[in-house]
Amino acid sequence: GENVEQHPSTLSVQEGDSAVIKCTYSDSASNYFPWYKQELGKGPQLIIDIRSNVGEKKDQRIAVTLNKTAKHFSLHITETQPEDSAVYFCAASILAHQAGTALIFGKGTTLSVSS
Amino acid sequence: ETGVTQTPRHLVMGMTNKKSLKCEQHLGHNAMYWYKQSAKKPLELMFVYNFKEQTENNSVPSRFSPECPNSSHLFLHLHTLQPEDSALYLCASSQDGDYGYTFGSGTRLTVV
Repeated sequence: GENVEQHPSTLSVQEGDSAVIKCTYSDSASNYFPWYKQELGKGPQLIIDIRSNVGEKKDQRIAVTLNKTAKHFSLHITETQPEDSAVYFCAASILAHQAGTALIFGKGTTLSVSS
Repeated sequence: ETGVTQTPRHLVMGMTNKKSLKCEQHLGHNAMYWYKQSAKKPLELMFVYNFKEQTENNSVPSRFSPECPNSSHLFLHLHTLQPEDSALYLCASSQDGDYGYTFGSGTRLTVV
C-alpha cells in the first residue's frame, strides 16, 4: 500500500542552527504535501503545505521543497528557537476509497532545540 | 482551541465496557476523519467521512464503530476493546478532503 518514509526520527540542534527533515512517498498520484507540528498534549497543527505544481514554498523561517520526479519533499527550519522543539510529521494525499482524499503520515521527527 | 473539539480528553475503560468518543467541528468543513496515534508508529487512518458518507474503512476491526450524524459531528463507538487499542485517538476535519486538516487535541484511551 501507499506509505510515507520520514527521516531522521530524532534531530537535535543548537539554537540558531538550521534543521532539515526529509520525506519520501510512494503514490505517484499524491499531489498535496502538508507538514504538521505536534506539541505535548496537543493534536498536530498544520505549519506549511505544498502542492505538486510548486517546487518550493516559504513562510518566514519555514520552507518546504518538493521534487515530484524523485518523490521527495523536505522541511527546512532556519534560525531555530527552543519553541520549535516538537514532533514534526510529513504527510501525502491519497485517494480515499470512493470519493475525496485522505492523508497518510510519516512516523514523525522529534526535534530538540537547545539554547 | 483549533475549531475541532474532542471529548473526553482521557478515558480508561475495561475490555468489556462500551464507550463513545465524540468530535465536533465548528469550521464548516465537509470531511471528517478518525486517526489512531500509537507510540513509534505513523498516524493510522481509520475512517473517512465525506458529506456524512463513510468513504473509507481502513481495515479497522469491528470493535470500532463510527457514526457521523451530520457534517459537524463524528463519533467513535468502542466495544470490547483490547489492551493494544490503547492510544491517542485524533479527529480531524477538512474542506473537500483536499486541504490541510484541522486536528482536535485527541482522546487518550487506556484499555485495562
